Amino acid sequence: GAGVSQSPRYKVAKRGQDVALRCDPISGHVSLFWYQQALGQGPEFLTYFQNEAQLDKSGLPSDRFFAERPEGSVSTLKIQRTQQEDSAVYLCASSSDPTSGIYEQYFGPGTRLTVT
Amino acid sequence: GENVEQHPSTLSVQEGDSAVIKCTYSDSASNYFPWYKQELGKRPQLIIDIRSNVGEKKDQRIAVTLNKTAKHFSLHITETQPEDSAVYFCAASAPRSNDYKLSFGAGTTVTVRA
Repeated sequence: GAGVSQSPRYKVAKRGQDVALRCDPISGHVSLFWYQQALGQGPEFLTYFQNEAQLDKSGLPSDRFFAERPEGSVSTLKIQRTQQEDSAVYLCASSSDPTSGIYEQYFGPGTRLTVT
Repeated sequence: GENVEQHPSTLSVQEGDSAVIKCTYSDSASNYFPWYKQELGKRPQLIIDIRSNVGEKKDQRIAVTLNKTAKHFSLHITETQPEDSAVYFCAASAPRSNDYKLSFGAGTTVTVRA
């Protein structure tokens, strides 16, 4: 079946611009995660949704970062007033239902954001 | 929060030899430990995982071991092949504590020499 998809795959933004990154999880997956991966590093957690509820946003680095999942399916990560330090690959992952003991997370291809 | 350390950062092995990557974690509440393989420019791919109620799990040429007392877990790849060349990440989470986010190690770049 179709895996997790993300768009755009690449985004170049001038410093100060707002960007919106989209994630389409695997159909029927209840949980959705956003991670940030800097070059040469492991992914770092940003935020987590269970259906439409944002249950954990402890990893968002500043109030310029905002995520939503209004209908419990597609999610958007928005970054306002982008800064150079926001340059990274933004990964989305979905999980079937971790509250039922299904913990596996499946990742999308990521969006590579470059802020110039 | 959870802190996962991973060693070595790079590993070069001859084709056919074994590769071992080791990780340690800090949070005793962690009980789910997946391993991901990431090829250059590609998505992280789940290759194997282990839960704290087992000590070892195998899937063909890949095995993972867990020592809860020492807070160590390791990935073993036997009979390595050139297609095993990639960056491997270990991770940990504590889903039984309703903490589902993954904390990742910094990664190991594995190169299999033909």
